[in-house]
Amino acid sequence: EIVMTQSPATLSVSPGERATLSCRASQSVSGNLDWYQQKPGQAPRLLIYGASTRATGIPARFSGSGSGTEFTLTISSLQSEDFAIYYCQQYNNWPLTFGGGTKVEIK
Amino acid sequence: QVQLQESGPGLVKPSQTLSLTCSVSGGSIRNGTYYWSWLRQPAGKGLESIGRIRSSGSTNYNPSLKSRVTMSVDTSKNQFSLRLSSVTAADTAVYYCAGEFSYYDGTNYNDGFDIWGQGTMVTVSS
Repeated sequence: EIVMTQSPATLSVSPGERATLSCRASQSVSGNLDWYQQKPGQAPRLLIYGASTRATGIPARFSGSGSGTEFTLTISSLQSEDFAIYYCQQYNNWPLTFGGGTKVEIK
Repeated sequence: QVQLQESGPGLVKPSQTLSLTCSVSGGSIRNGTYYWSWLRQPAGKGLESIGRIRSSGSTNYNPSLKSRVTMSVDTSKNQFSLRLSSVTAADTAVYYCAGEFSYYDGTNYNDGFDIWGQGTMVTVSS
């Protein structure tokens, strides 16, 4: 199975600052990658699919890039509601696999 | 707006079978764009895909769980179900049902879990 590795594990950012999260695949997944946001006690929410397409209702401050094995999620100006755990997930190969997550916390 | 709701026992004894059902409301489970999926998340850990099923009944199971997993769909009730046999403490987790869209637009494959149940905690303990 494809192993997804996210870094850093924790990112401390001040509100209004830019956050850059990384995701690496153990083999190429082309552009077949999603990003999710999860807050405590809630189900994940789809942010980005196809590496760079925002899901319905997702603010423009969230953007995704990359292809092959290296991907990035950028939050341009962190809002209070953005502090959460973010997961990447590949859908190029079955089984679908997730990264271990990056926790974005308030600095 | 499609909504999902998991139901089933919150406590299962070791070696027994975990059974969960996901009820789909606000839309039809027959939507051909969607896979209907089960995922789980142990406390404080990441997400694991257990498997998925189409309304036709075709399935994909995670190889790590394949020998113990059975999924089924009941289109008349707009529900799909998960059975996980021979459970151990390692199966203790929050279990989510989810709708996964999947389609090819002529250029790219588009796929993602955009509909989620609230999750149900299942504890395996005697």
